[in-house]
Amino acid sequence: NAGVMQNPRHLVRRRGQEARLRCSPMKGHSHVYWYRQLPEEGLKFMVYLQKENIIDESGMPKERFSAEFPKEGPSILRIQQVVRGDSAAYFCASSPPTLTGAGTQYFGPGTRLLVL
Amino acid sequence: AQSVTQLDSQVPVFEEAPVELRCNYSSSVSVYLFWYVQYPNQGLQLLLKYLSGSTLVESINGFEAEFNKSQTSFHLRKPSVHISDTAEYFCAVSDPGGGSNYKLTFGKGTLLTVNP
Repeated sequence: NAGVMQNPRHLVRRRGQEARLRCSPMKGHSHVYWYRQLPEEGLKFMVYLQKENIIDESGMPKERFSAEFPKEGPSILRIQQVVRGDSAAYFCASSPPTLTGAGTQYFGPGTRLLVL
Repeated sequence: AQSVTQLDSQVPVFEEAPVELRCNYSSSVSVYLFWYVQYPNQGLQLLLKYLSGSTLVESINGFEAEFNKSQTSFHLRKPSVHISDTAEYFCAVSDPGGGSNYKLTFGKGTLLTVNP
């Protein structure tokens, strides 16, 4: 069973460009989460999605950031008009649906975004 | 809001020595607790978790952690470390009773360096 897959693993963008980060959850997992890890910081929750629904985006910056998890295909985290402060590692996690909602989150290898 | 404190940002030890990585959380309610390990340039891997039941939980590679409700701690221990244990370790919590029990709050991490 393949793990959570993210691509690209490394992404370099110039200020003002767009960054698109992709995440394919583990087989059987219908819940996807995005976290951001700034240098020397722990991971910070950004958004929680289920198929075609955004459940909680309370950790997303109000502007330039968006996320989707379409019926078919991977989840996408999109950052428009990137700035240097967006440079970070972005991790995707997935979990199976459970009755208690305590499904363990399994993390992908991350996408390391560098904005020049 | 929950917070997680990992008191030591770096812990250097010699091979075969015991180690304890400290984690304290701030919450007056029940919590789920997790330790994740991150090897260089890789994603986070779940090491162990506490959801309920026995307060002592163990991983398959010799680590253990004990949930102490009165001290709001979940310290990670290993009696004898190997060089291959060198990695960053993250403590995380979630609130099982709230509507956002999926939202993991992470500490800033502890870099464990095992020297020969």
